Amino acid sequence: EAQVTQNPRYLITVTGKKLTVTCSQNMNHEYMSWYRQDPGLGLRQIYYSMNVEVTDKGDVPEGYKVSRKEKRNFPLILESPSPNQTSLYFCASSSLMNTEAFFGQGTRLTVV
Amino acid sequence: LAKTTQPISMDSYEGQEVNITCSHNNIATNDYITWYQQFPSQGPRFIIQGYKTKVTNEVASLFIPADRKSSTLSLPRVSLSDTAVYYCLVALTLGAGSYQLTFGKGTKLSVIP
Repeated sequence: EAQVTQNPRYLITVTGKKLTVTCSQNMNHEYMSWYRQDPGLGLRQIYYSMNVEVTDKGDVPEGYKVSRKEKRNFPLILESPSPNQTSLYFCASSSLMNTEAFFGQGTRLTVV
Repeated sequence: LAKTTQPISMDSYEGQEVNITCSHNNIATNDYITWYQQFPSQGPRFIIQGYKTKVTNEVASLFIPADRKSSTLSLPRVSLSDTAVYYCLVALTLGAGSYQLTFGKGTKLSVIP
């Protein structure tokens, strides 16, 4: 089954404790991206990657890192999480020349 | 970057056709218009995309006038399960054939029995 898998689905952590949210897709897609969704602000793009070892900043990259060492994986790293990063996070992937993106189930992160 | 404007919310009765219009005045020549649907606590789901004129699939139709400054998503005979947020996006063309999807705040559609 074609899918984008994020882990964990729910996470509560403390300020400053490094964490990684994993994202994996099984569709051999070149393009992957991370979004955060907050009430009243909609979905905002954090980072995206057009292929292995190619990453670029989205609209709200501050406080986040990503890596793309393999085509299927695109982890989101919070080196020192802060409460303002409490949010619902989505990973997405799509193939080149296609605006149809597949989204993961989401990761609800709470930073206390 | 083409900004989109769409109504914040809409109500409709079951069985009616729903049309959601989106404006994107500064759309660029190579940009595509895409619509997504999102249910609470789920990731958005692709509905339809188009460049100009009319596109139809098993779920919806998309109408785009010649100037491409607006588009209308048409959902035929909605049911309660169509209650969701609908996003209009202009897919910004990046290099190497990829598109950047920038979501607005969407239109919250409520279907009433």
